[in-house]
Amino acid sequence: NAGVTQTPKFRILKIGQSMTLQCTQDMNHNYMYWYRQDPGMGLKLIYYSVGAGITDKGEVPNGYNVSRSTTEDFPLRLELAAPSQTSVYFCASSYFRDNLKGNYGYTFGSGTRLTVV
Amino acid sequence: AQSVTQPDIHITVSEGASLELRCNYSYGATPYLFWYVQSPGQGLQLLLKYFSGDTLVQGIKGFEAEFKRSQSSFNLRKPSVHWSDAAEYFCAVALRGATNKLIFGTGTLLAVQP
Repeated sequence: NAGVTQTPKFRILKIGQSMTLQCTQDMNHNYMYWYRQDPGMGLKLIYYSVGAGITDKGEVPNGYNVSRSTTEDFPLRLELAAPSQTSVYFCASSYFRDNLKGNYGYTFGSGTRLTVV
Repeated sequence: AQSVTQPDIHITVSEGASLELRCNYSYGATPYLFWYVQSPGQGLQLLLKYFSGDTLVQGIKGFEAEFKRSQSSFNLRKPSVHWSDAAEYFCAVALRGATNKLIFGTGTLLAVQP
């Protein structure tokens, strides 16, 4: 089982460059999320999606865009990279198949470490 | 405002000592509750989760957590800490509903002294 796959694992960008962080899941989960993690701040939700074609902003969406054309893919786009976007980015998906029996959970990717210089 | 609070930024315990990491949440209804652990440079690993039922939840690596509705708390405990438990621990809550967004606390960094 691949689970949630993020690429690339590491990237260095120059200020003003753009890039797309890729996220793919093979579990047929409807819900997908993008988080950024900064020291001492925990993980902050950037964007999320409840299904193909549906996305919405999280806590810190400025400077990012997302799309969800398929159930499997949820790419995160940085249009004009800024030093403040230096962070570790995690993609996640979730399932809630049987709440009464606790059959629910979240699967996280291994992260993308992005540095903007 | 809705929030998850981990009041201890950094904790140091001696190997073999007991451990309790605190987590409080502020939501209108009882959310799903989680504890994750993250070793340096690694991803997130789920320790345990709570939805309903028995308020004492057992997890992996000898961890347990107790949900206390009256205190809006979900504290993580371990009776005897091992050096390999040194890591950062995150409490998280998921709001029950259409989005199931997972909201994290700011984390507690655990150091273990020999």
